[in-house]
Amino acid sequence: LAKTTQPISMDSYEGQEVNITCSHNNIATNDYITWYQQFPSQGPRFIIQGYKTKVTNEVASLFIPADRKSSTLSLPRVSLSDTAVYYCLVGDTGRGGSSNTGKLIFGQGTTLQVKP
Amino acid sequence: DSGVTQTPKHLITATGQRVTLRCSPRSGDLSVYWYQQSLDQGLQFLIQYYNGEERAKGNILERFSAQQFPDLHSELNLSSLELGDSALYFCASSPRAGFNEQFFGPGTRLTVL
Repeated sequence: LAKTTQPISMDSYEGQEVNITCSHNNIATNDYITWYQQFPSQGPRFIIQGYKTKVTNEVASLFIPADRKSSTLSLPRVSLSDTAVYYCLVGDTGRGGSSNTGKLIFGQGTTLQVKP
Repeated sequence: DSGVTQTPKHLITATGQRVTLRCSPRSGDLSVYWYQQSLDQGLQFLIQYYNGEERAKGNILERFSAQQFPDLHSELNLSSLELGDSALYFCASSPRAGFNEQFFGPGTRLTVL
């Protein structure tokens, strides 16, 4: 699985848009980019996944440039409850029936602190 | 609520003891994963089962073992416990083996004294 690099911590204020960038220079052709959110003492929660360009769901957007060597998770108008650790993971999803197991390799993540 | 249940929620035991952690995956999910989260090591993948068979192994110690039963629930057995085994143990499930969208349970907090 490709190694990812993301900022250790970020601060923001309520109502602001937050962008967390993840670097994954060694991403492979079959790799997808997945983001998870984790609150203290809770299990991680899937946020969004994408392969290229832009993906949007009800909680976030994921921007992936053409070279796919980085990606940006965008959280619109954050609130205090968005304070959490955000993990960027890169790997083959196996959706197409590949032999990938789906095991997740977590890095250190980005601790986002949202202030009032 | 992810639909994944784990018991017990908390477990306090002594060094040298053996414990069993239990996980029930979401209805219909065939794949179960175990992860360990400690302060110094972060979140680490331990082992995966798919439809009763071991599918992948990560940083799982030989003192640890797991299995998935015909009803798809899974158990993680930790033996000869050491202080360093104190951690949060998460179970996750997914519909298929290679599916990166996994649903995590609330975890079992193990404290070894």
